[in-house]
Parts: sequence; structure tokens; C-alpha cells
Amino acid sequence: EAGVVQSPRYKIIEKKQPVAFWCNPISGHNTLYWYRQNLGQGPELLIRYENEEAVDDSQLPKDRFSAERLKGVDSTLKIQPAELGDSAVYLCASSFRTGVGGELFFGEGSRLTVL
Amino acid sequence: GNSVTQMEGPVTLSEEAFLTINCTYTATGYPSLFWYVQYPGEGLQLLLKATKADDKGSNKGFEATYRKETTSFHLEKGSVQVSDSAVYFCALNEYSGGGADGLTFGKGTHLIIQP
Repeated sequence: EAGVVQSPRYKIIEKKQPVAFWCNPISGHNTLYWYRQNLGQGPELLIRYENEEAVDDSQLPKDRFSAERLKGVDSTLKIQPAELGDSAVYLCASSFRTGVGGELFFGEGSRLTVL
Repeated sequence: GNSVTQMEGPVTLSEEAFLTINCTYTATGYPSLFWYVQYPGEGLQLLLKATKADDKGSNKGFEATYRKETTSFHLEKGSVQVSDSAVYFCALNEYSGGGADGLTFGKGTHLIIQP
């Protein structure tokens, strides 16, 4: 079974440029998460989807970040315009909607460097 | 809000040494607790979990016990190997009835095992 797939793995851009990251979750997983991991830190949740609905986007910087999951399957996270402080690894995870103790499955991440 | 505090690294041990990585948490309800591991160049993967007080999670020789009275979930292994070198993240997840919320992570502990 294929895991969570993310692309691109690496992206280098200049500040003020736009960037987009794509995630394809595990088949059948209705919950999708985007996390940001700064160097030396743990991942921090940006947004959580239940199917196509964003049920928790309280930590998403909405002035420059946007996300969509139009058909409730794959998802795109966009930054426009990028700032130096956006350099980080962007992680996508998915899970099957379940109760207590549900496991999240993570992709390998997209490493963004903003120059 | 929820938070996870884990011992800072790097932690450097010799092969076959005993390992403890401390983790304490703050949560409003009754969270599930997890240890995730990130090997070099790979994505986060679940190591073990516990969903209620006094539960013990175990996998690959690692163990952690959910201690509600001390709000702790310390990771232990009796004899570490070079292949255990990785970054370990303690995390919690609360179930809100609408599905599993996103994981709250600690900052991670970098473990280095020397032959």
C-alpha cells in the first residue's frame, strides 16, 4: 500500500515568490493534516481537513498561506508571497477518521528554503 | 492549551546502554500519547502509543507507560543499538468527538548511539 506522497521534496525560492506543495494521502483516509516543522523543533499543525472541509485552520497564517482539498482526496498548500521565515519542512499526514488513539501517517515532507 | 515537554538533546550513548527519554505533557482532557521516530532522511513514523492511564506501549524493544498521576510518558529501552540513532518525538492527541485532533508534538530529542 502506498504511503502519503508529497511533492516536491525540495524547493528553493527567493523571497516574495509563490510556492505550492502537493500531498496525496493514503487511500481511504478522510482526515488530512498539514504541519510545519522548523529546524530543531517539533511539527506544528497548520490545518486539518475532514474530507474536503477545513475543520481546524486556527494556526494557518491566512494572510499568505492558503490550502485546499477540493475533492476530499489530495491537497495543496500554497504560500504567496514567501518570506525568509517560511523556510521549514512542510509535512502532510493522513488518518482514517477514528476514535481514541488513531494513528497519523506522515509523508517525507517538502523542504522549503527561502533566500 | 495542550503541550508536550521532552528532554533536549542530543543524547549520546554507547551501544547496549540503557535509554530513557523523558516526556511530560499538559492536556485539558484525556489524551492519547505517542512516540514518533524520524530516522535520517525519512518521514515521521509511529513507534508506540498508549490510549489510557497505566497503558504500556511497546515496539522494537522500546517501552513507555502512560502515567496520569505524573502526566508523563517516558521512553525507555534496555539496550540501544547504533540503528536506533534518530530523532524521537513525544506527542499527544485528544479526541473531540468529531474525530482525532491534530497531534501536539514536543521539540524532539536527537539520539546518537556510538559503537
